[in-house]
Amino acid sequence: TQLLEQSPQFLSIQEGENLTVYCNSSSVFSSLQWYRQEPGEGPVLLVTVVTGGEVKKLKRLTFQFGDARKDSSLHITAAQPGDTGLYLCAGHVIQGAQKLVFGQGTRLTINP
Amino acid sequence: DAGITQSPRHKVTETGTPVTLRCHQTENHRYMYWYRQDPGHGLRLIHYSYGVKDTDKGEVSDGYSVSRSKTEDFLLTLESATSSQTSVYFCAISDQWGSGGYTFGSGTRLTVV
Repeated sequence: TQLLEQSPQFLSIQEGENLTVYCNSSSVFSSLQWYRQEPGEGPVLLVTVVTGGEVKKLKRLTFQFGDARKDSSLHITAAQPGDTGLYLCAGHVIQGAQKLVFGQGTRLTINP
Repeated sequence: DAGITQSPRHKVTETGTPVTLRCHQTENHRYMYWYRQDPGHGLRLIHYSYGVKDTDKGEVSDGYSVSRSKTEDFLLTLESATSSQTSVYFCAISDQWGSGGYTFGSGTRLTVV
C-alpha cells in the first residue's frame, strides 16, 4: 500500500495545454516536496511546502499544500516539451520516524 | 563538481554473489539514505544513516546491509544477490532530519541474472 498516491500515473498532452497532478494521503505530513526526474538521473528537488494551504510558484509551475497537510497538487500552465519527465511527490510523515516517503510518480509527456 | 557520486553506474551480477554499491558525498551532510526505484513503486527506503556508524532499517531492508565508517561514504551491500534485487539504486543526502529536501546521486542500475 502506497502511503502517498499520485494521479495520474501517466499523462500525455499537447504543448500549450494546462495540467494538474495530484498527491493524496490519509496521513498528515510536516512537509511535502516535489521532485522532477530525468531519464538516467536522480530526482531533483523543485519545491518544499510546509504550511497548510501554502502555495508556491516556480515560473509556470504552481504547487499547493492542502489545508490539512494530507495532500498536494502541482499545476503546470502552458506546458512545454521541456516539462517532460517523471514528477514525484514526497513527504515527511508527522508520526513515526519522519523518514521521507515517496509517491509512485507521474510520468508526464508534452508533445510538440 | 557533483556533491554526491555513486559507483558503479551500471552493474550486472549473477544470482548468489555479493555486491557492494558506494555512495560518496562532499557536502559533509549528516544524513545519508539508500533508496531503490522500481516501476509502479516510486522510491522505497532501504537503509539510512544518521551519523558515522549509526544506521537503521527502512521499509525494504531484507537482503541488504549498510556501513558508514566515514561521514562521506555510505556503502550498500547485497549479501547474496537475487533477481528481485534488480533495480535502480539511489543514494541521497540531507543536512536536516524530518524536514527539508534531499540531494540525490545519479543512481546505479543493477541487474541480477
